[in-house]
Amino acid sequence: GNSVTQMEGPVTLSEEAFLTINCTYTATGYPSLFWYVQYPGEGLQLLLKATKADDKGSNKGFEATYRKETTSFHLEKGSVQVSDSAVYFCALSFQGGSEKLVFGKGTKLTVNP
Amino acid sequence: EAGVAQSPRYKIIEKRQSVAFWCNPISGHATLYWYQQILGQGPKLLIQFQNNGVVDDSQLPKDRFSAERLKGVDSTLKIQPAKLEDSAVYLCASSLGGMLGQFFGPGTRLTVL
Repeated sequence: GNSVTQMEGPVTLSEEAFLTINCTYTATGYPSLFWYVQYPGEGLQLLLKATKADDKGSNKGFEATYRKETTSFHLEKGSVQVSDSAVYFCALSFQGGSEKLVFGKGTKLTVNP
Repeated sequence: EAGVAQSPRYKIIEKRQSVAFWCNPISGHATLYWYQQILGQGPKLLIQFQNNGVVDDSQLPKDRFSAERLKGVDSTLKIQPAKLEDSAVYLCASSLGGMLGQFFGPGTRLTVL
């Protein structure tokens, strides 16, 4: 079946540190890939997405590149801020049909000043 | 533009009681999803509607869970009777379809005692 595996959390960084959250997937076919973010007390928000191999999604300084050869979609940010503290979810979906999202377990990020 | 609305935000019930959640999607969004998010896990799809028809309910525990979307707008999700393992956050999401992404509501946190 289709699944997403994220690195175990929690992750704690100091402000301005470099962030990487690993995400790999298993899928039959070629899914679209997403990163969602959940800030404390809020709902899930779409952070970025990529719909085909070698696409790079980017938003708010975050980036992720769709790597078909390694079935990965790692999230990166060059310099994190305290306001980036949240839970980050990697997810996949197939265009057409159900288009339901299959999520990883989430990675909690805490950024300290 | 108003987002996805859900109510109640919090609910505490005892096992074997019934509970219902309500969702109002973004205006014009034909597709509506209900996800269950157990603590420490990513959201899992329970049911997907396209207008007022069910697209996918393969992971809905139909012996106790039911959902409807009358008139293709608002939706309700019901649990009857509740079990301890139903304690979770229930998320509603809506979309226009395609790869435009899903928009999530704030969720309803259910605690079953």
